Amino acid sequence: GAVVSQHPSWVICKSGTSVKIECRSLDFQATTMFWYRQFPKQSLMLMATSNEGSKATYEQGVEKDKFLINHASLTLSTLTVTSAHPEDSSFYICSASSQGGGRYNEQFFGPGTRLTVL
Amino acid sequence: GDSVTQMEGPVTLSEEAFLTINCTYTATGYPSLFWYVQYPGEGLQLLLKATKADDKGSNKGFEATYRKETTSFHLEKGSVQVSDSAVYFCALTGGGNKLTFGTGTQLKVEL
Repeated sequence: GAVVSQHPSWVICKSGTSVKIECRSLDFQATTMFWYRQFPKQSLMLMATSNEGSKATYEQGVEKDKFLINHASLTLSTLTVTSAHPEDSSFYICSASSQGGGRYNEQFFGPGTRLTVL
Repeated sequence: GDSVTQMEGPVTLSEEAFLTINCTYTATGYPSLFWYVQYPGEGLQLLLKATKADDKGSNKGFEATYRKETTSFHLEKGSVQVSDSAVYFCALTGGGNKLTFGTGTQLKVEL
């Protein structure tokens, strides 16, 4: 199957700093990428959907100025957590699809990034 | 809105035991249903899916049948192995491309 990587796999930062997480599709072109957040013992919550070359669509309740998403190429999307605070500590997961995801088009998931804000 | 409810874990079984992980859903229209598996240290992988009522998805010995009348998509396997130890997520998509996940069920299979 298609491979999606994330970097870094884990990061610890100080409160007030910004952190960038990369999501790459390694062997296919991802027209759509998705960013999820997962709290312990909870389900994955979709944060935003991004299509290459256009602005991301954020889910209700997700601050777009805090979680900056860039999908500049067909193989790379980045999530930047700006001015991170301890409540932003979480497990962030990306997925990618070559045809938009949904009913018939599979999303391929990255291994996730553990963010801890001190 | 759409939602998925799956049984809480962890579930601990002996090797070769029968596995059932329950999943029920609430959705408008006719969603597609999925089971994803997450092995330790890896990303979620699609295990199986069903796109319409009465469809049966199957893969690697796992099966799940799309039951519209009971809004369920229970995951089953007749004989689990230690290598099946992982977290299993039930999910659905409605008319768009948004995946709605259950909370995940951790399965541990012991010798």
